[in-house]
Amino acid sequence: EDQVTQSPEALRLQEGESSSLNCSYTVSGLRGLFWYRQDPGKGPEFLFTLYSAGEEKEKERLKATLTKKESFLHITAPKPEDSATYLCAVQAWAAGNKLTFGGGTRVLVKP
Amino acid sequence: NAGVTQTPKFQVLKTGQSMTLQCAQDMNHNSMYWYRQDPGMGLRLIYYSASEGTTDKGEVPNGYNVSRLNKREFSLRLESAAPSQTSVYFCASSEGAGTEKLFFGSGTQLSVL
Repeated sequence: EDQVTQSPEALRLQEGESSSLNCSYTVSGLRGLFWYRQDPGKGPEFLFTLYSAGEEKEKERLKATLTKKESFLHITAPKPEDSATYLCAVQAWAAGNKLTFGGGTRVLVKP
Repeated sequence: NAGVTQTPKFQVLKTGQSMTLQCAQDMNHNSMYWYRQDPGMGLRLIYYSASEGTTDKGEVPNGYNVSRLNKREFSLRLESAAPSQTSVYFCASSEGAGTEKLFFGSGTQLSVL
């Protein structure tokens, strides 16, 4: 069974204080690993897809990396507008269209 | 461009009542999905439709039915609502061509009393 565990559950940062979110996964043949951002009262919004170990993707202050067992979402010099819940999901080759999501990390960036 | 539209946004039901959640997408996507989101549980797949005319069970299908009405629309029906179905429901769509970048609606907050 595919499993995704995200840590920490919640993270409080001062503006400008860089940090990393962890996504550990077990999957029988990784097809893709996804990061989404979710604002309160809204649906998740796609950020990145990573396909193979060693791959990195960047978008503004966010950088996602992937190893064979985990992915990290690095937030560099965060701003209050980076406050959101960040969700990680995996897609296995055997799972077809289906994604398995982790529980998310709630990030609060204080000015 | 509306993307994925869900109705209603909020709903309160009594135990045993039925209702249908509506979802429509205007991106010409092939695949559509229904998820529920509960605190600490993450998003869990209820049903999905890989293409028009097909539907398949996800991780938590019990108590739900779906209809892929056409390429644009995918509805979720609760025949006899139970308090355990209190949740936030999200509809999503994707091109369905392979690795799945999902586009989500804004959600329906459902309370079953």
